[in-house]
Amino acid sequence: NAGVTQTPKFQVLKTGQSMTLQCAQDMNHEYMSWYRQDPGMGLRLIHYSVGAGITDQGEVPNGYNVSRSTTEDFPLRLLSAAPSQTSVYFCASSPGWGTNTEAFFGQGTRLTVV
Amino acid sequence: AQSVTQLGSHVSVSEGALVLLRCNYSSSVPPYLFWYVQYPNQGLQLLLKYTSAATLVKGINGFEAEFKKSETSFHLTKPSAHMSDAAEYFCAVSESLGYGNKLVFGAGTILRVKS
Repeated sequence: NAGVTQTPKFQVLKTGQSMTLQCAQDMNHEYMSWYRQDPGMGLRLIHYSVGAGITDQGEVPNGYNVSRSTTEDFPLRLLSAAPSQTSVYFCASSPGWGTNTEAFFGQGTRLTVV
Repeated sequence: AQSVTQLGSHVSVSEGALVLLRCNYSSSVPPYLFWYVQYPNQGLQLLLKYTSAATLVKGINGFEAEFKKSETSFHLTKPSAHMSDAAEYFCAVSESLGYGNKLVFGAGTILRVKS
């Protein structure tokens, strides 16, 4: 029972490089989202998707791009990495997008931009 | 906008002692509240959630939380701490985005359990 799988677990990028953080879930959840975690700030929503082909911005979307071509996958793209994007990134999925549904989180990707 | 405040970024208790982690929320609508736990180098795991069915919510690993509307609080407790409870704990409130929702997290509380 894999749940939400994120790859890679660790990544170091140089300023200006681009990369894609992968996220896959095997629970057939319609709702998926990306958060970043920074010390002392909890987690903040970057982008979310209510189903294949539908995405929208969260509270900190600048510098990130997403697409959702299948129910299972929700990759996060960093277009031109900056040191301010050094963070831990979590992908989450939920069986619905109502406010009473719990989110299932992946193990995270720790990204360092130098 | 909704917000969550967790009082105390670090809490230290002795093994066997009561665990109390504090959470206060701000919400203009009846809230849906969650407690998540994060063990080192792992993702977040749901401990419990409040969805208005009962004010005292029981979760996994012996944790429970009580919703108090008058105090806008949702504190997390456990009668007897175990070494395995050492982790970071996050309180969150769910906010509707129309289509979709976001979890608004507190800054987190790191629980240390002393032997």
